[in-house]
Amino acid sequence: AQRVTQPEKLLSVFKGAPVELKCNYSYSGSPELFWYVQYSRQRLQLLLRHISRESIKGFTADLNKGETSFHLKKPFAQEEDSAMYYCALIPAAGNKLTFGGGTRVLVKP
Amino acid sequence: ETGVTQSPTHLIKTRGQQVTLRCSSQSGHNTVSWYQQALGQGPQFIFQYYREEENGRGNFPPRFSGLQFPNYSSELNVNALELDDSALYLCASSVSGGYSNTEAFFGQGTRLTVV
Repeated sequence: AQRVTQPEKLLSVFKGAPVELKCNYSYSGSPELFWYVQYSRQRLQLLLRHISRESIKGFTADLNKGETSFHLKKPFAQEEDSAMYYCALIPAAGNKLTFGGGTRVLVKP
Repeated sequence: ETGVTQSPTHLIKTRGQQVTLRCSSQSGHNTVSWYQQALGQGPQFIFQYYREEENGRGNFPPRFSGLQFPNYSSELNVNALELDDSALYLCASSVSGGYSNTEAFFGQGTRLTVV
C-alpha cells in the first residue's frame, strides 16, 4: 500500500526567506506526485504535479525516486503563500489520491 | 463552466442515524471521488465513481456507500453513524479515460458532526 509522509506540521518563515516543505512517499512502482494547497476559507486546489515540471507561483518540486521524495521549494516566500499544503500521490494506472497529513505554512511579515 | 458544488455545507446528526451528502461535478467531468478529512489530517480516499459504477474503494466499511447519476452528480450515504464519522467530506471531480486522469477539482466540502 502507498503512503505519503509530511514530517512538518507547521513551518513558520519570514517574508523573503526560502521555504521547503518535505514530502516522502512509499510505493513500489512509479507514482504520479502532486502538491495541493488550501488557502484560508478556500477549497483544496492543485498547485503542481511532477509530470508537468512547471513552476507555479514560484514553487517547484523535484521528484527524487532514489530517496522517494517530492519536496516543495520556493526561494522567496510571500505572505500570500500562507496556507495548508498537502503532498499526494496516485499509483501508476491508479485512480485514488493518497494524501499526506499536511503542512501549515505561515509567512510572517 | 461551473465548479464542484456540495450540499449541505454543514450537518449535525445523531449516532445511529443515516446521512446523504450530495455533489455536483464540474461540467464535462465524468468521474467523482469522495474523501473523508478528519480534523488535523489529510483527506482519505473513500471511493470513486466512473460511469455510474464504483471504480475503486479505500479502507472504509460497507456502511459507506455511494451513487453516481447519469448527469455525473453523486451521493455519499453513511448508515449507522458513529462519532468517529465526524469529519469534512470532500468531493472531487475529474475526467477519466483509460489510464489517463485529469486534474481533480474539489468541492468546498460538507462538515458532518455526529453527536
